[in-house]
Amino acid sequence: DADVTQTPRNRITKTGKRIMLECSQTKGHDRMYWYRQDPGLGLRLIYYSFDVKDINKGEISDGYSVSRQAQAKFSLSLESAIPNQTALYFCATSEMGTGGTGELFFGEGSRLTVL
Amino acid sequence: AQTVTQSQPEMSVQEAETVTLSCTYDTSESDYYLFWYKQPPSRQMILVIRQEAYKQQNATENRFSVNFQKAAKSFSLKISDSQLGDAAMYFCAYKGGKAAGNKLTFGGGTRVLVKP
Repeated sequence: DADVTQTPRNRITKTGKRIMLECSQTKGHDRMYWYRQDPGLGLRLIYYSFDVKDINKGEISDGYSVSRQAQAKFSLSLESAIPNQTALYFCATSEMGTGGTGELFFGEGSRLTVL
Repeated sequence: AQTVTQSQPEMSVQEAETVTLSCTYDTSESDYYLFWYKQPPSRQMILVIRQEAYKQQNATENRFSVNFQKAAKSFSLKISDSQLGDAAMYFCAYKGGKAAGNKLTFGGGTRVLVKP
């Protein structure tokens, strides 16, 4: 099984619908992230969490919200989906502390299409 | 804010030949990490190589090596003896320290095509 699991892998929805993307990890990492990938723009950070009680906005948080339900679970919600939120979404984890290199461990991505 | 720039949207290489991907970044920090990630058609993000800024020696992983020029803020990736399995998107990424929130910032990516 994958260390970082995202569900769903693919989703098609309509404008205005609420969507939740879920992420769970078995790596025991404290830090979790949600990124969005668009062609030519690379990956951009939406939200990140350094522990259960710590949630931080990334560079493109508007229109998104997150919940860190447990150390191993971090979900991303689109309250009212719009077409320009069509993208590939990645969850990632990393180790905490100065001993870690900050390498990210990624899930397999969730492709979201908003019609 | 840190920025990472990959100026080559796409590169083509003949099988068994060498290709070099460019990456430049902007930072005021002295201690940081740099990464190259590979994304094959399966869309999984795979770490190719990492470089610690305090290390002068360029990192190498089998056929992958980097040319890290700290003063120039340049971090290029060289793929030697290219194989068909090297065809993928490649992303350069920067991780700063506390001032940058310990977050990774990615470049826009370079698509590598390998011709048989």
